[in-house]
Amino acid sequence: AQSVTQPDIHITVSEGASLELRCNYSYGATPYLFWYVQSPGQGLQLLLKYFSGDTLVQGIKGFEAEFKRSQSSFNLRKPSVHWSDAAEYFCAVGTLYSGGGADGLTFGKGTHLIIQP
Amino acid sequence: KAGVTQTPRYLIKTRGQQVTLSCSPISGHRSVSWYQQTPGQGLQFLFEYFSETQRNKGNFPGRFSGRQFSNSRSEMNVSTLELGDSALYLCASNTPEGNEQYFGPGTRLTVT
Repeated sequence: AQSVTQPDIHITVSEGASLELRCNYSYGATPYLFWYVQSPGQGLQLLLKYFSGDTLVQGIKGFEAEFKRSQSSFNLRKPSVHWSDAAEYFCAVGTLYSGGGADGLTFGKGTHLIIQP
Repeated sequence: KAGVTQTPRYLIKTRGQQVTLSCSPISGHRSVSWYQQTPGQGLQFLFEYFSETQRNKGNFPGRFSGRQFSNSRSEMNVSTLELGDSALYLCASNTPEGNEQYFGPGTRLTVT
């Protein structure tokens, strides 16, 4: 069965400092990997995704993630965080069908990011 | 282009009652997925509908059901509500290319 592990429940980072959120996955086939962000009381916003090709993917809001097959990891990074980045971050793995439709994504438990002034 | 719409945004029900939640996907998207989010279990996949057919289902009891209409709008129903059904229910609209899921703001269900 597929699974996603986000080892860090909470992370505190000073504003302007760099950030790395960890994600490890277990998946039988070629994984499709995603990072989502959720602000309090809101739905999920897609930050970036990886399907194939270049293992370093760029997303919105200055985020990037690197896919490392040998380590089964897909860590999210940002060189300099802003107070507005404080939120819950979710890593997910799944299969999306070409032509439409989607198998259910499997999400990690999330990492709560706190930004210190 | 309008985003994913979910109604109602907030709902309070009593144990034993039933509830129906609605989701309108992005125009042109024919697939809708539903997820339940709770503090204890996190985000869990409920089911996915494509062109009015349920194609995938997560590990939830039969009290959780859904349907999709010809205009791609989807509803999910929970019968005989239990306290543990209190959660944020998220709907996702899946792109025709099958490579992205866009989430709505969710419906916050509280069962008392």
